Amino acid sequence: GDSVTQMEGPVTLSEEAFLTINCTYTATGYPSLFWYVQYPGEGLQLLLKATKADDKGSNKGFEATYRKETTSFHLEKGSVQVSDSAVYFCALSGSGAQKLVFGQGTRLTINP
Amino acid sequence: DAGITQSPRHKVTETGTPVTLRCHQTENHRYMYWYRQDPGHGLRLIHYSYGVKDTDKGEVSDGYSVSRSKTEDFLLTLESATSSQTSVYFCAISDGHRGGSEAFFGQGTRLTVV
Repeated sequence: GDSVTQMEGPVTLSEEAFLTINCTYTATGYPSLFWYVQYPGEGLQLLLKATKADDKGSNKGFEATYRKETTSFHLEKGSVQVSDSAVYFCALSGSGAQKLVFGQGTRLTINP
Repeated sequence: DAGITQSPRHKVTETGTPVTLRCHQTENHRYMYWYRQDPGHGLRLIHYSYGVKDTDKGEVSDGYSVSRSKTEDFLLTLESATSSQTSVYFCAISDGHRGGSEAFFGQGTRLTVV
């Protein structure tokens, strides 16, 4: 079945550092790919998405490119802030199935 | 913010008792989902619904049942709670009208089974 694998955390960075969180997936067909973020004590909220190969999703300085050849959707940000501290989830929605499959999540902590 | 409300937000219950969690939406979305969140496992799908009285199992459905008698309400029942069901439970909704539809999540219910 469909699955998502994220780099294991936790990840700790200093403010203004470059961020990469790796995500790879296994799916049949052409899934849509997502990054969700969860701030402490809250539910998940959509950060960005891409629905077809080579699409780039972007939001709040974060970017991820849908790479079909490497089945990847890595999350990047050029300069992180303390407010980016949260748990980040990579997810996919398979073609024809309206349910999200999540990776295990990566906890990110940004120190001032 | 999407209109999605979970109740209760916190619950402590004893092993062997039945527990029902409620998810209520005001968005008229077709799809509703129940996930559980556990450290090291991310979010795992328990059950989902694609319409009134239309439900299907997710990857961790054993010990859980659901019902959806109205578009706006999706109930999750733990028939006989066990300690392994201690978790944070999230409800989500989606309109599912097109590929890549965004899912909106509730605030979560923290359930402790003692």
